[in-house]
Amino acid sequence: EVQLVESGGGLVQPGGSLRLSCAASGFTFSSYWMHWVRQAPGKGLVWVSRINSDGSSTSYADSVKGRFTISRDNAKNTLYLQMNSLRAEDTAVYYCARETRITMTDWGQGTLVTVSS
Amino acid sequence: QSALTQPASVSGSPGQSITISCTGTSSDVGGYNYVSWYQQHPGKAPKLMIYDVSNRPSGVSNRFSGSKSGNTASLTISGLQAEDEADYYCSSYTSSSTLEVVFGGGTKLTVL
Repeated sequence: EVQLVESGGGLVQPGGSLRLSCAASGFTFSSYWMHWVRQAPGKGLVWVSRINSDGSSTSYADSVKGRFTISRDNAKNTLYLQMNSLRAEDTAVYYCARETRITMTDWGQGTLVTVSS
Repeated sequence: QSALTQPASVSGSPGQSITISCTGTSSDVGGYNYVSWYQQHPGKAPKLMIYDVSNRPSGVSNRFSGSKSGNTASLTISGLQAEDEADYYCSSYTSSSTLEVVFGGGTKLTVL
């Protein structure tokens, strides 16, 4: 069974940093592209970032480019999202998702990030 | 890059059918057969219901079906059941240089 478990969320002040993790199990993690998607309270889903299977290629939404960094450790079956210079508008539940043929087929339960003073 | 356009809400009675539309452009919905639909219950993670426009993952009821015409994709739910009440999101691959995936704004389905 595919499992994705996010962690690392919490309350952080504007301008602060946070690193999210997504522990994967039940599949060969190193074979799959992975994504981060976020959802602000009461709002819709928004794509944040993508990393390919070996970590050599990444992409970001304009809203986070230059502030967020996606990475992975295939030896630890873990996906990361380093978030710097956080803003109030980054407040959201952050989901990691596994991609299979251009589709996000499996999602974690999400971790809440709150940016507030 | 704007989100795909979905109606904010739709409703139907048990046993009826409803359709949710998802309108994009030739750079996303109209240009690729990579449209997906997700169901999200309150406080839960999204669940894949339809991929590649009209394919159902294993375990998803055949009451759910997808289609596409031009720049608009559609999700149809037949034989509405109470447990279908949820938010539904479409998504598409996009050729935009700033995004790889674009989502719709979401549609709240109410089963009356």
